[in-house]
Amino acid sequence: DAKTTQPNSMESNEEEPVHLPCNHSTISGTDYIHWYRQLPSQGPEYVIHGLTSNVNNRMASLAIAEDRKSSTLILHRATLRDAAVYYCILRASNFGNEKLTFGTGTRLTIIP
Amino acid sequence: GAGVSQSPRYKVAKRGQDVALRCDPISGHVSLFWYQQALGQGPEFLTYFQNEAQLDKSGLPSDRFFAERPEGSVSTLKIQRTQQEDSAVYLCASSAPGQDLWSNQPQHFGDGTRLSIL
Repeated sequence: DAKTTQPNSMESNEEEPVHLPCNHSTISGTDYIHWYRQLPSQGPEYVIHGLTSNVNNRMASLAIAEDRKSSTLILHRATLRDAAVYYCILRASNFGNEKLTFGTGTRLTIIP
Repeated sequence: GAGVSQSPRYKVAKRGQDVALRCDPISGHVSLFWYQQALGQGPEFLTYFQNEAQLDKSGLPSDRFFAERPEGSVSTLKIQRTQQEDSAVYLCASSAPGQDLWSNQPQHFGDGTRLSIL
């Protein structure tokens, strides 16, 4: 699987937007960009995924660069419950490439 | 609805003992995954089932690790002759089939079993 690069940690103030970056310069044309987050003492939780176009759901937005070599997860209004480790993962779309390859992610701290 | 359930939540064993960790996936999910998460690291893939078939076990670290899913629902991860380096959180995830066959469906994780080997 192609590799992603994320900052080790970020801080944000409560009730402000958060932009979490991810670089994936070796992404292939069929790789989807997935984001998961892991709250303390819990299993990872799916956040959002996309291929080329920007995506929105109830949790977040995903902005994908035109060349697809980077993406940004956007939390529009951070709350204390958003404090977690956020993982950016590339996942091939071929049958059989089912597993998720996690890196070390970005630890997001929310400041009250 | 019920999510992925793992038991026990915590397990302490002495070095050399055998342990068995259980995963109850979301009903109807045909894909099931096991991951191992060391302290401060992201989860690492161990093995993958599609129904009862184990299609990928490339991540199992040694032949002491064995996973099964005999009826295509509940899965058990067994570790024989445990060693201290086996101490980790073991996560189970399941996913449903999607429109484009199996790919890119979200994986739903349980909260894991924290295994401590003394």
